[in-house]
Amino acid sequence: EDQVTQSPEALRLQEGESSSLNCSYTVSGLRGLFWYRQDPGKGPEFLFTLYSAGEEKEKERLKATLTKKESFLHITAPKPEDSATYLCAVPTDSWGKLQFGAGTQVVVTP
Amino acid sequence: SAVISQKPSRDICQRGTSLTIQCQVDSQVTMMFWYRQQPGQSLTLIATANQGSEATYESGFVIDKFPISRPNLTFSTLTVSNMSPEDSSIYLCSVDGGQGSTDTQYFGPGTRLTVL
Repeated sequence: EDQVTQSPEALRLQEGESSSLNCSYTVSGLRGLFWYRQDPGKGPEFLFTLYSAGEEKEKERLKATLTKKESFLHITAPKPEDSATYLCAVPTDSWGKLQFGAGTQVVVTP
Repeated sequence: SAVISQKPSRDICQRGTSLTIQCQVDSQVTMMFWYRQQPGQSLTLIATANQGSEATYESGFVIDKFPISRPNLTFSTLTVSNMSPEDSSIYLCSVDGGQGSTDTQYFGPGTRLTVL
């Protein structure tokens, strides 16, 4: 059975304190892996799609990497506006059917 | 990326009633999906809305409870029927990236439903 597990569940950071979030997955025939950011009361905001092991993508203070079994989302020198829940998801039997992890809630304090 | 709107943004409904949620996209897309996010939980796929044919439901979701329509490539509706408090959730539609970008998925702002 396909599974997506995110850790930690919650992360509290001081502004400027870099850290990483983990997304591990077990899925047959990985097509890719998505990262989203979700603010309270809003829909998930697309961040990245990673397709193959070794791939990296960056957007502002965020950098996503992918290995054969997991993905990391690195937050470099975070700011309070980076506070959100970060979700990863993998397509299961088609690109459209996403299975989501439970998310990591990140709080960045000034 | 596609601009997605949902109506209503939130609603409070009585047990036993039904609510229809609309999802409108500003451009034609191939795939449209409906997800549920229960309080404090992550997203669960309800169904794929197929244009011109019946929706494809995931395990645990049935057409009688969640009828879906998709009359064209930019619009879909999800009805939550005979509601109970357990249906209180955020309901989200999502779409692929449009022509040439079916491997990207964008989400609408969601509809927050509370059932009393």
